[in-house]
Amino acid sequence: DGGITQSPKYLFRKEGQNVTLSCEQNLNHDAMYWYRQDPGQGLRLIYYSQIVNDFQKGDIAEGYSVSREKKESFPLTVTSAQKNPTAFYLCASSITTGNTIYFGEGSWLTVV
Amino acid sequence: EDQVTQSPEALRLQEGESSSLNCSYTVSGLRGLFWYRQDPGKGPEFLFTLYSAGEEKEKERLKATLTKKESFLHITAPKPEDSATYLCAAGGYQKVTFGTGTKLQVIP
Repeated sequence: DGGITQSPKYLFRKEGQNVTLSCEQNLNHDAMYWYRQDPGQGLRLIYYSQIVNDFQKGDIAEGYSVSREKKESFPLTVTSAQKNPTAFYLCASSITTGNTIYFGEGSWLTVV
Repeated sequence: EDQVTQSPEALRLQEGESSSLNCSYTVSGLRGLFWYRQDPGKGPEFLFTLYSAGEEKEKERLKATLTKKESFLHITAPKPEDSATYLCAAGGYQKVTFGTGTKLQVIP
């Protein structure tokens, strides 16, 4: 089935550690996104990529990093510089930017 | 700056009681207005894309409509399984801007 796969679903991290969230899509979409969602709040854009080997900062990029070496993959690294990383992270993709966005099932990150 | 505002923040309906959710938007060069359903702990599920004023789309008990400044999600005779948060988003030239959602609870 076509779709967006995020892993892991649940992740625990100790303070001071970096952690990488995986996102793979088989929809042949050019654009990919990472959003953060906190309880009771809306979606906030972390990073997005319009094409392979290119990405731009979103509204809350500080403390995060991404790469886009393959069209299908857009991993997100949450670094130790991110001061409040506990949240629900959503990966998404669209044919091109501005078009309908499709989401993965999300990853829960908890800092312990 | 692009903006999307949804109202109400929360809505409680009796089963069978029809209502509408509102989404007001200010976006330069609208490419599409999107509606999603999100269940707790899950990613948003795509419902509709509307492209131009006057357009309507339907799916089961849901109907989405679009004007030049607003979109409405009409829910006809809702059932408890329609309980969820409904997100609206507007696609501009380079990015999609999301509203904060309307949390719908349908009581049997």
